[in-house]
Amino acid sequence: EAGVAQSPRYKIIEKRQSVAFWCNPISGHATLYWYQQILGQGPKLLIQFQNNGVVDDSQLPKDRFSAERLKGVDSTLKIQPAKLEDSAVYLCASSFRDITGELFFGEGSRLTVL
Amino acid sequence: AQTVTQSQPEMSVQEAETVTLSCTYDTSESDYYLFWYKQPPSRQMILVIRQEAYKQQNATENRFSVNFQKAAKSFSLKISDSQLGDAAMYFCAYRSAGPGRQGAQKLVFGQGTRLTINP
Repeated sequence: EAGVAQSPRYKIIEKRQSVAFWCNPISGHATLYWYQQILGQGPKLLIQFQNNGVVDDSQLPKDRFSAERLKGVDSTLKIQPAKLEDSAVYLCASSFRDITGELFFGEGSRLTVL
Repeated sequence: AQTVTQSQPEMSVQEAETVTLSCTYDTSESDYYLFWYKQPPSRQMILVIRQEAYKQQNATENRFSVNFQKAAKSFSLKISDSQLGDAAMYFCAYRSAGPGRQGAQKLVFGQGTRLTINP
């Protein structure tokens, strides 16, 4: 079974530029998450989708971050304009809608903002 | 809101020895899941072990076991016979068990503990 795919793995941009990250979850997983992991910290949830609807985006900085999940499968997370404090690893995860609660993570996209 | 606290930023252990990583959490809910995830350097996060709050028996997965103290809201991870491949960041995480509630399925992570294995 293929895992959660993310791209790009690494991205370096100047502040005020824009960037987009892509995630393809495990086939059949209805729930998709984007987490932000700043160096030395635990991951923080940015947004959670159930199929193509948003369940929780309470910690998403909506003035600069946006995310979509078209057709309930792939998802894109965009940052525009980027700030220095956005430097982090952006983790995508997916889970099947059941009671086991396990999330499956991708390898992450490491963003460096200069 | 639920919070998860890992008070040990770093731990080290000799190969083949046993180490315990600590985790405490705060919640008003009675039904939830607790997890330990492992994140090796530059690699994806993987599930180590899971505990359902309604189960009194502590979960065990090979060399990994937990000590779940519901009343104390404590959830520690014990790694027996430590191996070099166990070196990683370990994250404790909490998840509500109510699938119908908005945001109920999100995972709330602690700050992590970096585990070093000394050969």
